[in-house]
Amino acid sequence: QSALTQPASVSGSPGQSITISCTGTSSDVGGYNYVSWYQQHPGKAPKLMIYEVSNRPSGVSNRFSGSKSGNTASLTISGLQAEDEADYYCSSYTSSSLFVFGTGTKVTVL
Amino acid sequence: EVQLLESGGGLVQPGGSLRLSCAASGFTFSSYAMSWVRQAPGKGLEWVSAISGSGGSTYYADSVKGRFTISRDNSKNTLYLQMNSLRAEDTAVYYCAKAWIVGADLDAFDIWGQGTMVTVSS
Repeated sequence: QSALTQPASVSGSPGQSITISCTGTSSDVGGYNYVSWYQQHPGKAPKLMIYEVSNRPSGVSNRFSGSKSGNTASLTISGLQAEDEADYYCSSYTSSSLFVFGTGTKVTVL
Repeated sequence: EVQLLESGGGLVQPGGSLRLSCAASGFTFSSYAMSWVRQAPGKGLEWVSAISGSGGSTYYADSVKGRFTISRDNSKNTLYLQMNSLRAEDTAVYYCAKAWIVGADLDAFDIWGQGTMVTVSS
């Protein structure tokens, strides 16, 4: 039950687009469309940003989008804003009827 | 307003026990699976356990299987996590989280509580 692999940090200037990758295996990310993404600001609870690979919950900005190719899922933030600076985690259902989060990515807005 | 409120955290010695509670409001509690997710200080998120809406199905991470027990009382709209044989590595903020859709036990979590801190130390 190993954590999904994410880059430790990603940065970008305001207005730019950035992409965060989330790499798993065929037993989790690659095998199911149950990949979700969470944003977490310091000292706060996580917030759901994307569910089932590419769906945005009501109220989440359309600047956030998700996709998947093989065993790797991606979260893209377009038109980067200062408020997007936070930690981001992916997650996936696994073949063992379990659930796993990614290692987390710190997004810095330069 | 949909809300989750955890309680029961605190300081406990290694080998000790603690029971966490999560009071839910603003939605039909019995219809939704619930999970516990923890976060050690300065670390990432770790899924701990989940339970179906009826309570008939439970799921555990390998790291807590056999030591932790998840349960729910739908008449009280409350989720529980009984933690036994606690270890230093169980030290974390524990969040309860609601499944985003009915019938999806392990999909995505759309509502989270504010978390309760558990510290395991002598």
